[in-house]
Amino acid sequence: AQSVAQPEDQVNVAEGNPLTVKCTYSVSGNPYLFWYVQYPNRGLQFLLKYITGDNLVKGSYGFEAEFNKSQTSFHLKKPSALVSDSALYFCAVRETGANNLFFGTGTRLTVIP
Amino acid sequence: DTEVTQTPKHLVMGMTNKKSLKCEQHMGHRAMYWYKQKAKKPPELMFVYSYEKLSINESVPSRFSPECPNSSLLNLHLHALQPEDSALYLCASSQQLAGFTGELFFGEGSRLTVL
Repeated sequence: AQSVAQPEDQVNVAEGNPLTVKCTYSVSGNPYLFWYVQYPNRGLQFLLKYITGDNLVKGSYGFEAEFNKSQTSFHLKKPSALVSDSALYFCAVRETGANNLFFGTGTRLTVIP
Repeated sequence: DTEVTQTPKHLVMGMTNKKSLKCEQHMGHRAMYWYKQKAKKPPELMFVYSYEKLSINESVPSRFSPECPNSSLLNLHLHALQPEDSALYLCASSQQLAGFTGELFFGEGSRLTVL
């Protein structure tokens, strides 16, 4: 069975500081991992994905994520946070052969001016 | 055009009403999805259509009835709903199911309130 854990419901960071939103996963076989962002009253937007290859994945809006197989983690990072990054962030996983995503519980990021 | 359009944005209905949610995409995607999202919770998959045929039904109650009239449209028909069905209903699309890459394109959602 697949599962995704986002251990922090809320992350606060000062504008200009680096940010990290944590995600750990459990899947059978090789994981397909994703980050999505949801702004207030909006649908989810795809940020980035890891399927294979380089462990550091770069995505939209300056975000990146690092795949760590030994720690079964896929943390989302950004070197310098913007107030406009404040949103709800979802980590998601797809098992090999599956046709849908399983989402984590979400982490609300607040960037303080 | 990279948008998924959902209507209506807000819907209030009584438990005896019949209503429908609509979703449209013009990206040529052949897979379309309905998700349900409760407040402060992740989206939960309800249905998946692939090439206009129902591919996945996540044991959703029959008071929710999906329909895919063509490759661009996806409807969710609602009848005899319960107050606990109040939620944000999200439509999404992807290029196809075979070789699904995991990149979903979501609409802004229809916020449903059942009185």
